[in-house]
Amino acid sequence: AQTVTQSQPEMSVQEAETVTLSCTYDTSESNYYLFWYKQPPSRQMILVIRQEAYKQQNATENRFSVNFQKAAKSFSLKISDSQLGDTAMYFCAWAAGNKLTFGGGTRVLVKP
Amino acid sequence: GAGVSQTPSNKVTEKGKYVELRCDPISGHTALYWYRQSLGQGPEFLIYFQGTGAADDSGLPNDRFFAVRPEGSVSTLKIQRTERGDSAVYLCASSPRASGYILGAYNEQFFGPGTRLTVL
Repeated sequence: AQTVTQSQPEMSVQEAETVTLSCTYDTSESNYYLFWYKQPPSRQMILVIRQEAYKQQNATENRFSVNFQKAAKSFSLKISDSQLGDTAMYFCAWAAGNKLTFGGGTRVLVKP
Repeated sequence: GAGVSQTPSNKVTEKGKYVELRCDPISGHTALYWYRQSLGQGPEFLIYFQGTGAADDSGLPNDRFFAVRPEGSVSTLKIQRTERGDSAVYLCASSPRASGYILGAYNEQFFGPGTRLTVL
């Protein structure tokens, strides 16, 4: 079975600074996707960034970037120039088929 | 355009009662997913529909849980004889087609705001 592990329950960061969230996963599949989702207090899951496993180049979306290490099964998220609106739960997720497998989440608090 | 909507937003019920949770997917999306998110945890997959049929119900925890999508649009998650352990946020998502692995062509799942179910 696939598992996704987020070892940091909570992270805090000063506004405008950078924070990195960790994620490791376990799978025997060779083709899959990895994702980071943001869940604000409104509960709605919002896709932040995705990475396709066959691509060696790390994905970037504006202030969000990932460090994908396939051999190590590691997929970290870096949030640069943190903004107050980035305060939320962040979930790492994995998919090779139709269902997403999520980690336990990391709460990010951006302080003014 | 309208996103995925879920009703009710919150539901409080008593142990042993029957509840129905509704999901309205984005218009035209053929795939629909249900996830359950217990307090302090990540969402867990329950069931997925492609059209009207349940393509994968491997995540349903037991036979008290059942879901339908009779016309290939709206879906209802039904829970019989509710237990306190059923308390969670139930999330629905839809995608244009099934989100199976296709090289370079992932079909994103768009999530609704969830229904918070509390069983007293």
